[in-house]
Amino acid sequence: EAGVVQSPRYKIIEKKQPVAFWCNPISGHNTLYWYRQNLGQGPELLIRYENEEAVDDSQLPKDRFSAERLKGVDSTLKIQPAELGDSAVYLCASSLSTPNNEQFFGPGTRLTVL
Amino acid sequence: AQSVAQPEDQVNVAEGNPLTVKCTYSVSGNPYLFWYVQYPNRGLQFLLKYITGDNLVKGSYGFEAEFNKSQTSFHLKKPSALVSDSALYFCAVRDRGGNNRLAFGKGNQVVVIP
Repeated sequence: EAGVVQSPRYKIIEKKQPVAFWCNPISGHNTLYWYRQNLGQGPELLIRYENEEAVDDSQLPKDRFSAERLKGVDSTLKIQPAELGDSAVYLCASSLSTPNNEQFFGPGTRLTVL
Repeated sequence: AQSVAQPEDQVNVAEGNPLTVKCTYSVSGNPYLFWYVQYPNRGLQFLLKYITGDNLVKGSYGFEAEFNKSQTSFHLKKPSALVSDSALYFCAVRDRGGNNRLAFGKGNQVVVIP
């Protein structure tokens, strides 16, 4: 079974530039998550999708962050413009819909903003 | 809101000795509890979960965890540590009746000394 795929793995940009991350979840997983993991911390949820609907985006900084999940499969997370404090690892995860199911994580995108 | 405390930054253990990684949680209702492991430059991998039933849960790679409701704890254990168990371990909790959000602890670095 293929796992969660993310690209790119690494991204270095200058502040004020835009950046986008892509995620392809495990086939059949209706729920998709984007997390941000700062150095020395656990992941923090940015947004959760059930199929194509964003059902929990309360922790997404909507002034600069946006996300979409067209057709309820792949997803893209965008930052525009990036700030120095956005440097982190961005993790995508997917799961079956019921809340007691474990989440499967991709390898993440390590973003460095200079 | 739900939260997790992992009080130790690093756990050092000699190869072959028992390994314990501590976790306490806080939820308003009943919890779903999870342990994940993260190897360098890789995403989080699911180890085990507590949903209901037997308080002792067995998971991957010989790990187990014990749910203790009175102490609100879910410590991870392995009877005999391997050098390959050296990694970052995260405890996570989800409130069954809450916002369906998974809250992670800050993680514990486990170092198994040959």
